[in-house]
Amino acid sequence: GENVEQHPSTLSVQEGDSAVIKCTYSDSASNYFPWYKQELGKRPQLIIDIRSNVGEKKDQRIAVTLNKTAKHFSLHITETQPEDSAVYFCAADPPGGNQFYFGTGTSLTVIP
Amino acid sequence: NAGVTQTPKFQVLKTGQSMTLQCAQDMNHNSMYWYRQDPGMGLRLIYYSASEGTTDKGEVPNGYNVSRLNKREFSLRLESAAPSQTSVYFCASSEARLGQPQHFGDGTRLSIL
Repeated sequence: GENVEQHPSTLSVQEGDSAVIKCTYSDSASNYFPWYKQELGKRPQLIIDIRSNVGEKKDQRIAVTLNKTAKHFSLHITETQPEDSAVYFCAADPPGGNQFYFGTGTSLTVIP
Repeated sequence: NAGVTQTPKFQVLKTGQSMTLQCAQDMNHNSMYWYRQDPGMGLRLIYYSASEGTTDKGEVPNGYNVSRLNKREFSLRLESAAPSQTSVYFCASSEARLGQPQHFGDGTRLSIL
């Protein structure tokens, strides 16, 4: 089955700096890659997603890039703010599987 | 439009007790899911229902059963609770099983003593 690895597990940045979280996947057939943000004690919420026919997608300060050849995708947050502090999860959705495969999460802390 | 609603929000059980976690969605989604979230282990799929009338096991189904009551509702049952089932349980739904974002409920925090 699919295997998703996420790095780093923790990340601290100064407010205003950029943050990058990287995920790798094993199943080359995976074609949908969502990113979720989970604030402490809250539900995971979709923040951005990308499909395999697209190399990059942006939404204001958030962007996701996909490298199908290398089988990795990354979340980029620019001009970080304290409210960006949360746990971020990546996932891969292989068409032959029965579920999303989630990474183990990255705890992002933005220091004011 | 409430999205995905889970009840209860908190529950404490004794070992061996049974309990049903309820989940309902009002987005007319076809697929529904139950996950558990434990510290350092991310989200693990317990069971899912790709469409009304079907259910399938996920990664960690042992000790659980599910019922897709209708298109809106998907319940998770613990027949004989064990301390290892102490966790936060999330229900989610999506328009279709493949290639669609999943929308999560607020979660149920369950403690088994």
